[in-house]
Amino acid sequence: NAGVMQNPRHLVRRRGQEARLRCSPMKGHSHVYWYRQLPEEGLKFMVYLQKENIIDESGMPKERFSAEFPKEGPSILRIQQVVRGDSAAYFCASSPTGHEQYFGPGTRLTVT
Amino acid sequence: QQQVKQSPQSLIVQKGGISIINCAYENTAFDYFPWYQQFPGKGPALLIAIRPDVSEKKEGRFTISFNKSAKQFSLHIMDSQPGDSATYFCAASRGNSGGSNYKLTFGKGTLLTVNP
Repeated sequence: NAGVMQNPRHLVRRRGQEARLRCSPMKGHSHVYWYRQLPEEGLKFMVYLQKENIIDESGMPKERFSAEFPKEGPSILRIQQVVRGDSAAYFCASSPTGHEQYFGPGTRLTVT
Repeated sequence: QQQVKQSPQSLIVQKGGISIINCAYENTAFDYFPWYQQFPGKGPALLIAIRPDVSEKKEGRFTISFNKSAKQFSLHIMDSQPGDSATYFCAASRGNSGGSNYKLTFGKGTLLTVNP
């Protein structure tokens, strides 16, 4: 059973561009969480999704950030008009029930 | 407001020694407490988790001790090995009554170095 997959692993964007991060959960998992990790910091919750539904987006900035988890295909975290402060590692985690969360390898976003 | 406080920030242990990392939480609604291990450039890996109805859980060399009244829990790594050198994060989540939202609140991490 393959683990959680994320791509790209590294992403470089210039200020003002869009960043699109993908997450394929483990087989059979219908719960997806996104977290952001800043240098020397722990992980911070951003958004929780189930198939076709955003359940909790309380940790996500209201502007420029959006997330989706369509019926088919990976979950997408989209950041529009990136700024330097968006540089971070973004992790998704999937879960069969919501509780036990298994993390992907992350996407390291660098904004120049 | 930091809801989960983790200490120490860094820890150096000799091979074969015991590594102890502590966490304290504020929200009494938390009912699930996992520990994650993260190597540089990798995602966090779930190590072990506990619920507040037990005071201790052991898996191999890893043990969680839980003190509900003090709102504290700790990770003990017995017979620490150089391969255990990593960053360790404690976390907490609460059951969402009638739902399945178990978003994790993380501590800031402990960088463990095990010297050979």
